[in-house]
Formats: sequence, structure tokens, C-alpha cells
Amino acid sequence: AQSVTQLGSHVSVSEGALVLLRCNYSSSVPPYLFWYVQYPNQGLQLLLKYTSAATLVKGINGFEAEFKKSETSFHLTKPSAHMSDAAEYFCAVSGPNTGRRALTFGSGTRLQVQP
Amino acid sequence: GAVVSQHPSWVICKSGTSVKIECRSLDFQATTMFWYRQFPKQSLMLMATSNEGSKATYEQGVEKDKFLINHASLTLSTLTVTSAHPEDSSFYICSARDLRGDGYTFGSGTRLTVV
Repeated sequence: AQSVTQLGSHVSVSEGALVLLRCNYSSSVPPYLFWYVQYPNQGLQLLLKYTSAATLVKGINGFEAEFKKSETSFHLTKPSAHMSDAAEYFCAVSGPNTGRRALTFGSGTRLQVQP
Repeated sequence: GAVVSQHPSWVICKSGTSVKIECRSLDFQATTMFWYRQFPKQSLMLMATSNEGSKATYEQGVEKDKFLINHASLTLSTLTVTSAHPEDSSFYICSARDLRGDGYTFGSGTRLTVV
């Protein structure tokens, strides 16, 4: 079984400040991990994914995440927040070679960016 | 990149009527599609896994007779909400896995309101 836990349902940062969104996973097999962003009434857009290659993954819009097996974590960071980063962020897990297996999502973290 | 087209974006229907939601993979073949439901300010909950040419696999607690899924081709899956009631009002999102890139692509979602 696989699961993800996102710590903090709401995170508020100032524009230009560091963004840190936390995600911890549980998986009985080597995980594939994903971060998605969702804007109101829209689908999910992939920010980045970890699929057992480099542990530091760089994504779109300046986001990156580091896979830490010892901590079972996959936290999302961005050095400098922009107003347009305000959205809902979801961490998700799946297994390798599982084309028929759906993603399991965390509960989401709403990011607010203050001017 | 992989694109999943979902229609309609929003729909309002009367109680007791049925609504069909379509998801199409535009530039790849999706033998498996996933249907999620999202309540306001909540995460995505998997409803069912749609397999081309066979019966869908429903998650526990999801009424298969109410949420009919058809995956008749490698590029089209449909979700029909039968005899809709106000409690079925929600945001429905489909997803497909593009095996070319280890990614899951999401449709833009359908906002269903039952009045």
C-alpha cells in the first residue's frame, strides 16, 4: 500500500520568500513521486516527478524537490515565491511499472503569497 | 506533451437526469484511464480505473450502477452519472498514464452541479 502525507493544509509566504511544502510518503515498493499544482476549477498540472533517477528533481516554474529515502520525504521548494504561485499543491505517489495503477494523492496544501 | 481533453468543463442538470463526461487522450493511446472526484477544498479521491475493452474497477464505496464507465477505445473513456442527485455535485477529473514518459496527464475537470 502507498500513501502520502502533506504537512500543513495552508502555507503563507511573502512574495520573494522561500517556499517549502512538505510531503512524506509510505510505500512498500520503490516509489514514483509527483508534485502537481491546481488552480481553481482546473485540472492538475505536473510540476515535477521522481522516477528513481536523480534524487534532486527540477521542475517547471522554478520548483524543485529532493527525494530523501532515509526520511521518506519529497519536499517541494522554490527559492523565491511569486504571486502567481498561489494555488493548491498536491503530492502524489505511485509505483514503478504500474501503468494500470492510479496515483494516490496527499490532502493538498494551499499556498498563499502575500505582497 | 501528452494531452487529455475532458468535456464538458461544467454542467448543470436537474435531479434524476443523467450526465455524461468524456475524456480523450489526444496524442497517445491510453489503455488505462482513472476517474477522480474532488469535493471543495479537498483532495482527489479515486473513483474507478477504466480499462480499454474490459470492465472498470471501482473503488470501495463507489456505486458502479450510478457511475457508469465505458472505455470503448484506446483514446476515449466516459463517465456517466446516472439519476443524479444534489450530493453528486462535485468536480470530476480524469487522468491517463502516458507510458512514454512515466507521467500521468490530467483532464481539465468537469464541475457538475445538480439542482
